Formats: sequence, structure tokens, C-alpha cells
Amino acid sequence: AIQMTQSPSSLSASVGDRVTITCRASQGIGNDLGWYQQKPGKAPKLLIYAASSLQSGVPSRFSGSGSGTDFTLTISSLQPEDFATYYCLQDYSYPRTFGQGTKVEIK
Amino acid sequence: EVQLVESGGGLVQPGGSLRLSCAASEFTFSSYEMNWVRQAPGKGLEWISYISSSGNTIYYADSVKGRFTISRDNAKNSLYLQMNSLRAEDTALYYCARATRGCKGATCHDILDIWGQGTMVTVSS
Repeated sequence: AIQMTQSPSSLSASVGDRVTITCRASQGIGNDLGWYQQKPGKAPKLLIYAASSLQSGVPSRFSGSGSGTDFTLTISSLQPEDFATYYCLQDYSYPRTFGQGTKVEIK
Repeated sequence: EVQLVESGGGLVQPGGSLRLSCAASEFTFSSYEMNWVRQAPGKGLEWISYISSSGNTIYYADSVKGRFTISRDNAKNSLYLQMNSLRAEDTALYYCARATRGCKGATCHDILDIWGQGTMVTVSS
């Protein structure tokens, strides 16, 4: 199975900060990667697919980049509603695998 | 409103069985592939199973292979997860999630676009 390694596991940031989360695959996966946001007590929500395509309805401050093994999720200006946990998910092959998550907390 | 509603969770003893259901509404269930994803308390997300729209293609995570069985009844707009030989480490919130296609250029990707609210399974004596 492909392993997905996210970093950092948590970070503290202030409103307005630029935040970057990385995800590394144990083998090349092209651009078969999505990013999901999960708030406490809620189901995950898709933000980005195909590594860099913004899901409909998701604010443009979210962006994704990367291909092969290294991927990045960037929040250009952190908003109060963005404090959550973020997960990458590879859709290159089965079994699908998530990264371990990055919790974004208020500084 | 397009939605998925899970049910069937509860407390079960180690070695026991449980059957989860996921009821779909307001979309053509038979046209969509479906997945189960779980989340242990305070932990991250774990993908556990996939079923194609027809039910002919199925995949499992190694952690549940041989113990869990995914199935669907398109006439009833329902997805199921039969869980046998349950272990303490199967304790989790179980989500069903619809898969659709997100296309970028000439290639399309599986995306999990609709999720249920989850049903909690606790394995304990």
C-alpha cells in the first residue's frame, strides 16, 4: 500500500497567516491526490482534487500544488473558519490511503 | 437535499458482528461508487472499503480484509458493511462516502464528495 506522510502533524497560526501543509507519497502517484478538511464533530469536506483543482464552492484562498511524490496545500490568508484538521488522500491505487492529518490551531 | 445517513452502530463484544447501513437520498444511487471510511476516537481517517456502482468490483484495506464485507442494494438505495470478528481496534466512527469524478483536462479522479454523519461502533467487553 502507498504510504502518505503529512507534515507537520500540527501547527499554530494567526488569522491572516499563510499556512503550508505538505504530503509525501511513498511512491509516485502523478497528480492523484486530494485534500480534505475536517472540523470537530463533522464529516470531512473535499477542498482540492487532482492535486491542484479547487472543488466547487471552496474559497480561492485554498490552493494545492505538486505531483509525483510531493504535494502542498496552501491557505493564503488563514480565516477563523479554517481552524480544522486537514488530510491528504491518494486516489492513485487501492487501497486508498490518507495522510495522518495536520491540525491547524489558533495561535 | 443530497444526503447519506448511516445506522447500525453500537456496542459489541470482541469477536462479535455488526452490520452497518448507509441510506442514500436525492441522487441516483445506482450510478455512484461508494466507500466506507472510519475514524478511531481522537485519530485520523482510515479508508476501509470501496464498491463499484454495480457491486462487481470491491476493495478492502488490509486491516479489515477477510473480516468485513461491503455490499449494496441499488433498489433500496442502500450501502452496507458487514463486520465480523470485531476487535477493540475496530472501535471508530464509520462514515459512508459517495465517490464521483473530478476531471482535470483529459484525466478524471475519484473524489469523495458526499459524506454521511457517521455511526459509532464500540468493540468492548
